[in-house]
Amino acid sequence: AQKITQTQPGMFVQEKEAVTLDCTYDTSDPSYGLFWYKQPSSGEMIFLIYQGSYDQQNATEGRYSLNFQKARKSANLVISASQLGDSAMYFCAMREDQGAQKLVFGQGTRLTINP
Amino acid sequence: GAGVSQSPSNKVTEKGKDVELRCDPISGHTALYWYRQSLGQGLEFLIYFQGNSAPDKSGLPSDRFSAERTGGSVSTLTIQRTQQEDSAVYLCASRHDRMVYEQYFGPGTRLTVT
Repeated sequence: AQKITQTQPGMFVQEKEAVTLDCTYDTSDPSYGLFWYKQPSSGEMIFLIYQGSYDQQNATEGRYSLNFQKARKSANLVISASQLGDSAMYFCAMREDQGAQKLVFGQGTRLTINP
Repeated sequence: GAGVSQSPSNKVTEKGKDVELRCDPISGHTALYWYRQSLGQGLEFLIYFQGNSAPDKSGLPSDRFSAERTGGSVSTLTIQRTQQEDSAVYLCASRHDRMVYEQYFGPGTRLTVT
């Protein structure tokens, strides 16, 4: 079975600093996808970034980058130049590439950006 | 807007009552998912619909939970004889066949069972 582990319940960072949110995963499938979602206090799930298991390069989307280390089964999210609006819950998720392609989520990390 | 919509946004019900939660996916999206998010937790998969195929119900926690999707569009999640542990936010997501990875989430329905 697939499993996602986020070991940081909460993170506090000064505005404009970079922050790394940790995510490790476990799967026996050779093909899978890894995702990060942001959930602000309003509750909606906002897709941030995706990494496929066969992608050779780390994914980047603006200020977001995914540090994918396949051998270590880690998929950490890096946010550069953090902003106050980045304060939210962040979820790492894995998608199975077969069948339902449902997402399996970690427990989340609450990120707080201090001015 | 063209996003996923859910109704109601909030629902308070008494223990033992039945509730229905509705999801309108993005037009043209053939895949539809229901997830549940308990307080302070990550999302838990409940059920998946893909076109006219039989749904994947592997995530439903008990036989009190059921869902249907009519005409390949709107979906209704029904919880019978609600229990306090059913209190959670129920999120719906849809995906287009050609979108390899991205699921678009609705705003959720917050269910409180008293």
